[in-house]
Amino acid sequence: NAGVTQTPKFRILKIGQSMTLQCTQDMNHNYMYWYRQDPGMGLKLIYYSVGAGITDKGEVPNGYNVSRSTTEDFPLRLELAAPSQTSVYFCASSYSVSGVRGETQYFGPGTRLLVL
Amino acid sequence: AQSVTQLGSHVSVSEGALVLLRCNYSSSVPPYLFWYVQYPNQGLQLLLKYTTGATLVKGINGFEAEFKKSETSFHLTKPSAHMSDAAEYFCAVRRSGGYQKVTFGTGTKLQVIP
Repeated sequence: NAGVTQTPKFRILKIGQSMTLQCTQDMNHNYMYWYRQDPGMGLKLIYYSVGAGITDKGEVPNGYNVSRSTTEDFPLRLELAAPSQTSVYFCASSYSVSGVRGETQYFGPGTRLLVL
Repeated sequence: AQSVTQLGSHVSVSEGALVLLRCNYSSSVPPYLFWYVQYPNQGLQLLLKYTTGATLVKGINGFEAEFKKSETSFHLTKPSAHMSDAAEYFCAVRRSGGYQKVTFGTGTKLQVIP
């Protein structure tokens, strides 16, 4: 298994540009997540999905959109890039069903985004 | 509501010395607790987790953590630090019962001095 893969690894955007961060998992996990990581701030949840066709907002959703048309893919869209979106973005997945306790999240290697 | 506090954003230890990384949590219901490790330029990976049962949890690479309900703590320890332990460590909490999101601490960077 490749696990969770993310593309691109690094990207520079100009203010106002848009882009999509790709995330794919091959573990048949039902839950997927997008986090952003800023120095000294830990990880903040942007959006999550509990299955294909179902998404919900996390702590910091403003300026982002997601979709989940398949179990494997969970792209994150930035429509109008702003300097405040400079960050490292991590996609993660987990297998969560009723009765499972404390499921492990599996993380991708991250996408480093710089908005200038 | 739930939260996690990691004491010390940077910790330095000598190679072979005890590693102690502190984590305190707050949760209105019994929590699930996690420690994740992040090596440079990589994603996070699970070190260990507490769900129920034995309060002393053993993880990978010789790490362990003890859930102390009375102290609302879940400190991470390793008896003897190795150079390869240099990384950033995140404590995380999730409330039990149904789906609940995971809240991560702000992280502790561990430096191992030869």
